[in-house]
Amino acid sequence: QVQLVQSGAAVKKPGASVKVSCKASGYTFTSHYIHWVRQTPGQGFEWMGIINPDGGNTHYAQKFQGRVTMTRDTSTTTLYMELSSLRSDDTALYYCTRGYSGNADFDYWGQGILVTVSS
Amino acid sequence: QSVLTQPPSASGTPGQRVTISCSGSSSNIGSTFVYWYQQLPGTAPKLLISRNNQRPSGVPDRFSGSKSGTSASLAISGLRSEDEADYYCAAWDDSLSVAVFGGGTQLTVL
Repeated sequence: QVQLVQSGAAVKKPGASVKVSCKASGYTFTSHYIHWVRQTPGQGFEWMGIINPDGGNTHYAQKFQGRVTMTRDTSTTTLYMELSSLRSDDTALYYCTRGYSGNADFDYWGQGILVTVSS
Repeated sequence: QSVLTQPPSASGTPGQRVTISCSGSSSNIGSTFVYWYQQLPGTAPKLLISRNNQRPSGVPDRFSGSKSGTSASLAISGLRSEDEADYYCAAWDDSLSVAVFGGGTQLTVL
């Protein structure tokens, strides 16, 4: 069965970086895009960007341009999302979710990882 | 601040029919598919309605979706206690080139 298993929960200080991983299994790794979405009590859901595991092409939301990097490792079928220059308002649950390019069809989700930014 | 607008709360009694609205614009709902997600407390969202009105495998037919112009609706008939959850609409925004979400509707089964 399709699974996205996340790791990387962390407490970080402002200005630091965090790297969250998402291990995909149960399907052909390169057949579906992976989106990263975060959820905060104040902002709700925010779409951060998308990566095509087949080739590694990415597209980031303008809000996160310059601070976010999405990568993948095809040998381990793992996706990564790194967010730098962390601020307190980056405190959120970060999800990886499987989907397609150009729509909001997210059929499988990781369990979510809490990243807390606090001094 | 969400791009898509939903009522913050909705409620109904067991067996009733409840609808949740989602309002957007020509660059999102008006030009792309709408998706609905159910989020139970402490869990990740689950895809409930795909492409405006399609139910993924395993979703009961008590759940239905519709779209008209720049608005969409989720209807839940035969309300059950286990339907108590947060519901979110989502769509791709062609102008922003991002997926956008509603602020969520908390459904209470009285």
